[in-house]
Parts: sequence; structure tokens; C-alpha cells
Amino acid sequence: ELKVEQNPLFLSMQEGKNYTIYCNYSTTSDRLYWYRQDPGKSLESLFVLLSNGAVKQEGRLMASLDTKARLSTLHITAAVHDLSATYFCAVDGETSGSRLTFGEGTQLTVNP
Amino acid sequence: GAGVSQSPSNKVTEKGKDVELRCDPISGHTALYWYRQSLGQGLEFLIYFQGNSAPDKSGLPSDRFSAERTGGSVSTLTIQRTQQEDSAVYLCASSWETSGRKTQYFGPGTRLLVL
Repeated sequence: ELKVEQNPLFLSMQEGKNYTIYCNYSTTSDRLYWYRQDPGKSLESLFVLLSNGAVKQEGRLMASLDTKARLSTLHITAAVHDLSATYFCAVDGETSGSRLTFGEGTQLTVNP
Repeated sequence: GAGVSQSPSNKVTEKGKDVELRCDPISGHTALYWYRQSLGQGLEFLIYFQGNSAPDKSGLPSDRFSAERTGGSVSTLTIQRTQQEDSAVYLCASSWETSGRKTQYFGPGTRLLVL
């Protein structure tokens, strides 16, 4: 059974600081997705990582994938309040068909 | 519409009643997924459609849950004899089905409360 673990689960940071969210998964996969969810809202696609060493950047967020370590990171640079949300990583495992297996989510709060 | 739509947005029902949740995927998307999000269980996969067939329905929690898709488009998730533990947000997603490389786009969800 594919397991996806994120850490930290809760992150409170000040504006202007940098931090990294980690996503570990338990089985071979080269397809990893990051989503953002605002309170009471649905999931918004942020990044799609499809190969070992993939790196994607959008604004203050950068995501990377290391398939050998089964690890993805979401790095936040110079955080701003608007980044406050819950971030989920999700894996499309090779043996799990088309379903996504999600991590627990990281609830990020950026304080002024 | 440009995105995945779901209806109703909120549903309150009494224990034992049946409910139907509807999903309209993005036009042209052949793959459709249902997930459930609850406080205790996080985001759980329920069922996947490719066209009108469901190759993977392994996530349905019990035989009270069923889903169908018609015309390769709209899908309905039906919960019979609802229980309080069915209370959750039910999310629908759709995607292109191309070479296993696909992003799932999520709808706004249906918030189900079983009293």
C-alpha cells in the first residue's frame, strides 16, 4: 500500500522567512503533484513533477522531486501572508492505477 | 464552464436517507475521480472512471456507496442509508487520460452533513 507522509503538519512562520515542506512516499513513482487548499475551498493544482530531478518554480514556491530518495520538497522563499493555506502532496503510484494518494497536508500560517 | 462543477454545494440529511451527489467534469476530460475529505481520514480515493466504466472502485467504503457515469461526462455518487460517519466533503476531479501523465483538476466539493 502506497503511503505518503508530509512534514511538518503545521507550520507557523513570519513574513519574509524561508522554509521547506517535505513529502516522503513509500513506493516507486515518478509522478508527484502539489496542491493548495484554502479554508472552505477546493484543491488548486500548483506543480506537477514527472521525472527524477524535476524542479518547478512559481513565484515564491519551488518544488523538486528526487525519485531515488522518494522525496519531494516544497520550498517557500520570503513568505507572505497570501501563502497561508494547506498544502498537499499527492503521488500517482505505478501500481495504484490512476488514483492519487495524498499526504496529510501541511497547514501553513504566515504571520505579518 | 471552465472548471469541474459539483452540486449541491451543501447537503444536510437525516441518518438513513439516500443522497445523490453530482459532478460535471471539464469538457473533454475522459477520466473522472471521486474523493472524500474528512477530518479524521484526510483525502481518500473512492472511485475512478475512464469513460463510462469504472476500472477502480476499490476505495468505496461500503456497498451503500455507488457511482455511475453516463455519456462520458456527468457522474453521480449515491450514498444509500446514510450514516453519520458519511459526513465529509466529497470532491470530484477530472483529467485528460494521456500516457499516464495527467493533472487532476478538482471541483469545489459537496459538503455532506448527516444528522
